[in-house]
Formats: sequence, C-alpha cells, structure tokens
Amino acid sequence: AQRVTQPEKLLSVFKGAPVELKCNYSYSGSPELFWYVQYSRQRLQLLLRHISRESIKGFTADLNKGETSFHLKKPFAQEEDSAMYYCALRGYGGATNKLIFGTGTLLAVQP
Amino acid sequence: KAGVTQTPRYLIKTRGQQVTLSCSPISGHRSVSWYQQTPGQGLQFLFEYFSETQRNKGNFPGRFSGRQFSNSRSEMNVSTLELGDSALYLCASSDLDTQYFGPGTRLTVL
Repeated sequence: AQRVTQPEKLLSVFKGAPVELKCNYSYSGSPELFWYVQYSRQRLQLLLRHISRESIKGFTADLNKGETSFHLKKPFAQEEDSAMYYCALRGYGGATNKLIFGTGTLLAVQP
Repeated sequence: KAGVTQTPRYLIKTRGQQVTLSCSPISGHRSVSWYQQTPGQGLQFLFEYFSETQRNKGNFPGRFSGRQFSNSRSEMNVSTLELGDSALYLCASSDLDTQYFGPGTRLTVL
C-alpha cells in the first residue's frame, strides 16, 4: 500500500533550536518525495523535493531508502517557519501527478 | 504568470444538492489535479486531468466527477451532497514536474 506517515501532529520548538519533522513512507517502487508547506492564510506551496537535493529557507531533507524516511531538518528554527508541513509522495516515472500526502505536522516556533 | 485560481472561494449547500467547482490553471499547464482536504482525513487525491482526459482517479464515490476543457480549465461536480462532503477542495496545476496549488474552495454542507 502507498502511504505517507507523519507521526507528529504538532512540534513546538524555541527560536534557534534545531527542527526535525519526521516522514516515513511505504511504496513498492521508486518514489519521488516532496515537502509542502502551508503558512497561515496562504496556499499550499512546494518547499523542496528529494530529486533537487537543494536547501530552501535553510531546510534540507535526505531520502533514506533503507529506512523509507524523508525527514525535514533545519539547524536553527525561526519564528517565520511556523506553519503546517506536509510530506508527499509520487510514483517515479509514472504518467501521473497524483500526490499521496501525510496528515501534516504543525510546526510552532516560540520566541 | 498568474497563479491557479478557484471559484467560488466559499459555498454553502444543503444535503442532497449538487455543486460545481471551477479551477483555472496557470497558463500553459495541461495537468490539473483535485484534492479534498478535511481535518480528519487530511489531503486526499480526487482525480487528475491531462489534455481533457482523466489520467488518474482516487477512491471517492461516483458522486464526485470532473472534467477538463480544451483551454485546460477544469471543473469538479459533486452530486447528492452529504454532510461529510464539507471540506476544502484544492486544485493544482502542473508543468512537467511541479504542482502549484490554488487557494481552494471551502464547501459547507448543511
């Protein structure tokens, strides 16, 4: 079964603390993994994807195929990082843009 | 380029009615996907259209349907509304490999 699991509904950290948002997936094949973010009163937007291997707003994520994980990390949290974060999966190479989303983690960065 | 637009932004309907939601993709994008977002189930894939053809469909009852027009604009229709259909319905358009989401239509079924 194709599934994305985000075990934490809420993650609360203080400004300047490291952040790790967990994401595990189940997929029989080679998936593409994404992190999407939704700031308050804004639309869902792509934060990063594993294929590009880039750092966006200080966030990075590494695909670990052995542990089937794609955790999102940032060394020093900022208040403006407070938002809802969704991990998502897409089958690689298929003719579809269908995304399977996790249930999301609300990141709250305290001052 | 203008972003993905969805109309209307808010809708209130009663059980048994039907509703049509509209999505205008980013210019040049040929793929449009629809998702239902609820507090309990999160984001769930409804269907995807590409060049006027349904390319993929999620696990929703037949009351949920959609279509895409030659200008890539898409509509989704929900017939015989149920209370559980209350949700935020998101549309996303795609270029080759990135999906861009619209602001959503908030549907409330009374």
